[in-house]
Amino acid sequence: EDQVTQSPEALRLQEGESSSLNCSYTVSGLRGLFWYRQDPGKGPEFLFTLYSAGEEKEKERLKATLTKKESFLHITAPKPEDSATYLCAVQAWGSNYQLIWGAGTKLIIKP
Amino acid sequence: KAGVTQTPRYLIKTRGQQVTLSCSPISGHRSVSWYQQTPGQGLQFLFEYFSETQRNKGNFPGRFSGRQFSNSRSEMNVSTLELGDSALYLCASSSREDTEAFFGQGTRLTVV
Repeated sequence: EDQVTQSPEALRLQEGESSSLNCSYTVSGLRGLFWYRQDPGKGPEFLFTLYSAGEEKEKERLKATLTKKESFLHITAPKPEDSATYLCAVQAWGSNYQLIWGAGTKLIIKP
Repeated sequence: KAGVTQTPRYLIKTRGQQVTLSCSPISGHRSVSWYQQTPGQGLQFLFEYFSETQRNKGNFPGRFSGRQFSNSRSEMNVSTLELGDSALYLCASSSREDTEAFFGQGTRLTVV
């Protein structure tokens, strides 16, 4: 069964303390992996798409990487405004393009 | 370029009533998906429409239905509302089946 697991469920960091969020997946064949950021009461905001192992994407303090089993979202020197829930979703070949979502990681950055 | 627009933003309904939510996708996007999100839960997939056809459906009861019009605008309907239907309902659109989806701000439905 196709599955996406995100860890940790919640992460508290001090401002400037770098860390990584994990998204591990089990699918028959990965078509694409998507990262989103969601603020409370709002719709998710698209961050990155990754398609193949070894691929990396960067945006400001965020960097997403992909292996054959998992993806990492690295956050460097985070600021309080980076606090949000980060969601990961995968699309598998032969899935009729349906996305499978992880439960998310709630990131809190303390000033 | 305008984003995904969902209306209304907030809604309060009574148990047993029905409700219709609307979603206008980004111009040119033909795929529209609907999700339910409750506190502590991840995104629960409801259904997806592509060019007016329902392509995928999640594990929700038949009280939840949707449709897509020729201009790609979509509506979802929930009949015989239950307290447990209280949630944030999100709509997302994408230009192609395998590209990223862009979300609206959601409709917050409260059932009392």
